[in-house]
Amino acid sequence: DMKVTQMPRYLIKRMGENVLLECGQDMSHETMYWYRQDPGLGLQLIYISYDVDSNSEGDIPKGYRVSRKKREHFSLILDSAKTNQTSVYFCASSSGDTQYFGPGTRLLVL
Amino acid sequence: TQTVSQSDAHVTVFEGDSVELRCNYSYGGSIYLSWYIQHHGRGLQFLLKYYSGNPVVQGVNGFEAEFSKSDSSFHLRKASVHWSDSAVYFCAVMPNYNVLYFGSGTKLTVEP
Repeated sequence: DMKVTQMPRYLIKRMGENVLLECGQDMSHETMYWYRQDPGLGLQLIYISYDVDSNSEGDIPKGYRVSRKKREHFSLILDSAKTNQTSVYFCASSSGDTQYFGPGTRLLVL
Repeated sequence: TQTVSQSDAHVTVFEGDSVELRCNYSYGGSIYLSWYIQHHGRGLQFLLKYYSGNPVVQGVNGFEAEFSKSDSSFHLRKASVHWSDSAVYFCAVMPNYNVLYFGSGTKLTVEP
């Protein structure tokens, strides 16, 4: 069964703290993504990774960085989190033109 | 710049009714269009896609969508909705390989 997992599912941090969101997939997909979803908006692309150590900025990369050292894992890092980074974060992987999404991580930055 | 517009933020229908969720895009080249569904508290799931050929494409659970180049539209339809169809529906375009741009979503509520 094809699956994208995300950890943690819920996270509360204080402003200025570092945040690490983890994503895994078991489909050997080359391409992986990080999005954020805010009320009334669609998903906004933060970063895209085409394979190990091959990452590109999406539409809103400021304040975020990523790491992909293994094909099945893709991490999103917030160095010194800000309150406006409170959001739901989704990871996805793709095989060609179809994306498979994880369940999301709900992040609250106080 | 490519944009995706979903003009209806909320749509409410009764179980057994038909429904159409609207999607309009602006992009000049060849594109790939798709619809995704998001149930409450979950990630998005792929419903259907169009790239070329027959403008009416079939998806899972009785959903279909029709592409119109003249109207720049890709509306999603279902002939008879079930309460389990209540969810948020996202239209997406893929102007470049592997990169999707999503609309703001339409929340469908199916009442008994």
